[in-house]
Amino acid sequence: GAVVSQHPSRVICKSGTSVKIECRSLDFQATTMFWYRQFPKKSLMLMATSNEGSKATYEQGVEKDKFLINHASLTLSTLTVTSAHPEDSSFYICSAREVTVAYGYTFGSGTRLTVV
Amino acid sequence: SQQGEEDPQALSIQEGENATMNCSYKTSINNLQWYRQNSGRGLVHLILIRSNEREKHSGRLRVTLDTSKKSSSLLITASRAADTASYFCATDASNTGKLIFGQGTTLQVKP
Repeated sequence: GAVVSQHPSRVICKSGTSVKIECRSLDFQATTMFWYRQFPKKSLMLMATSNEGSKATYEQGVEKDKFLINHASLTLSTLTVTSAHPEDSSFYICSAREVTVAYGYTFGSGTRLTVV
Repeated sequence: SQQGEEDPQALSIQEGENATMNCSYKTSINNLQWYRQNSGRGLVHLILIRSNEREKHSGRLRVTLDTSKKSSSLLITASRAADTASYFCATDASNTGKLIFGQGTTLQVKP
């Protein structure tokens, strides 16, 4: 089946630094990937839709300059949390859509970001 | 944005009992999906039901969909301790391909 690899699984960074999270579709091409954020014991909040070769589409309330998304190839999307602050600490999950499979969404295993 | 509510928010049952979780949504949908998430992990797709379907089965899972009430339910029969997890419904409400998640139900199955 389709596999999405998300890396790193955990990261701790200092306030003010930037952190990059990668999301790779290993055995299929994903023209569209999605980035979600999840607070403890809460649901997944869609942050943005990442489109290969074009700008990401951000959901209302999500800061574009804070959460930089790049989808440079059909198998890789990256989310960079810039100038991270403790309130950015969260669980970030990516999802890739395999267009050859009806409603085929595959999720990465998530990244636990802690900003100290 | 969240699509709707799920209830209960938390459910604790004994092994062997059935667990029922409900999900409501707000907009018209193409399909509704149920996912499972173990603590601190990614999501695993369980089952999809299309808007023109009313019921679907997969192993110990039974999903119903009532588009007139904009609601769905997930039934897990003969629950096992390994079923302990959070369960989310998600809807594909537009042609953008976005999945919007419900609030989720945390299920604990006691051995």
